[in-house]
Amino acid sequence: SAVISQKPSRDICQRGTSLTIQCQVDSQVTMMFWYRQQPGQSLTLIATANQGSEATYESGFVIDKFPISRPNLTFSTLTVSNMSPEDSSIYLCSVHTGLAYEQYFGPGTRLTVT
Amino acid sequence: DAKTTQPTSMDCAEGRAANLPCNHSTISGNEYVYWYRQIHSQGPQYIIHGLKNNETNEMASLIITEDRKSSTLILPHATLRDTAVYYCIVRVATGANNLFFGTGTRLTVIP
Repeated sequence: SAVISQKPSRDICQRGTSLTIQCQVDSQVTMMFWYRQQPGQSLTLIATANQGSEATYESGFVIDKFPISRPNLTFSTLTVSNMSPEDSSIYLCSVHTGLAYEQYFGPGTRLTVT
Repeated sequence: DAKTTQPTSMDCAEGRAANLPCNHSTISGNEYVYWYRQIHSQGPQYIIHGLKNNETNEMASLIITEDRKSSTLILPHATLRDTAVYYCIVRVATGANNLFFGTGTRLTVIP
């Protein structure tokens, strides 16, 4: 398994500002994933963060809006840029490990944009 | 990745077994079945996975039909803390693949 922590756990931000979310894993992992969960919805994958290369974004998500850093094998950041109320969501960091690539999730960052 | 179908919601009496079904009729030979759950306001939690054999761990049992077109997650003695949304996901187990979540089954354990 993997233990994942995220900072901040929650924040309330004003529209037009940016927030950087940090994700720390207790072991080295090749790939880290960022998900979004809008209120009352299931999880949606934003992007896959690889160490040493550009993140790979899913359809509907762009680097200018959600820049990602992956400086080493245990850490990643996701920035939500130029925020609007529609960005109010829980943002989750995830990694997979194990022989069958079981996936583990951080506790999430609850973002409210006013 | 194959599509899965789950009931929207289920109730289970506390102390009884909770049986959560999942249909994955288009599953291919190299796809695993994974189960996760999400308790309110928490990140999803890995429960169990399997390829074709039944599996059991400290949390649950996974029963996969012989044709692999459906599976059942069994929580043998449900407690109130098992109230959560349960997700059944099928995917190939490679490093390049991540999980795509459907809507899951909302299980409510009733005292």
